[in-house]
Amino acid sequence: SYELTQPPSVSVSPGQTASITCSGDELGDKYACWYQQTPGQSPVLVIYQDSKRPSGIPERFSGSNSGNTATLTISGTQAMDEGDYYCQAWDSSTAVFGGGTKLTVL
Amino acid sequence: QVQLQESGPGLVKPSQTLSLTCTVSGASISSGTYYWSWLRQPAGKGLEWIGRISTSGSTNYNPSLKSRVTISVDTSKNQFSLKLSSVTAADTAVYYCARSTVGANGSYYYYYMDVWGKGTTVTVSS
Repeated sequence: SYELTQPPSVSVSPGQTASITCSGDELGDKYACWYQQTPGQSPVLVIYQDSKRPSGIPERFSGSNSGNTATLTISGTQAMDEGDYYCQAWDSSTAVFGGGTKLTVL
Repeated sequence: QVQLQESGPGLVKPSQTLSLTCTVSGASISSGTYYWSWLRQPAGKGLEWIGRISTSGSTNYNPSLKSRVTISVDTSKNQFSLKLSSVTAADTAVYYCARSTVGANGSYYYYYMDVWGKGTTVTVSS
């Protein structure tokens, strides 16, 4: 079965750039999505189709996908961006999620 | 604005069938090009996709759960439902329903889950 791998945790200082990676076999041939989840809340879509932002998502969120790695980049990270981030792709009509990355802003 | 709301028993006994319903409000479940998904998240763990259904009734399931899962849609009630049979403690989780929007890039279709319910906690215990 297809697998996506994320680092368990990433730390960033306020105002700096955070990068969260997601690795999978030939992931660049698929479209990646990213979801943000804060404690006690439902996931929120922040990036779809590799790099597109849904309405209402701040411009500081961006995404890329090439080769075996998709990357979520948060520029000018704010305290409100702290939470868990999940990458997701579709493989054979099955949604596959990465294990999640806990972003800490300190 | 489309909203999704999960409902169903919060406690299910081992070996029984878990049944949940997701009610869609703010739009017809039949309008547009969407799939309707179920996902779950055990406490302190990551997201797991269970399966999805189109409004025409076409389904896709997570291979690891396929033998125990049935997802159905009732367009007259603007609802879709999940049944998970032979549950064990490992099925204890927060269960979410979500809308998958479909996009097309040439002949390639892509999907993204852009609207989520608030989730409902299901505990499997005797």
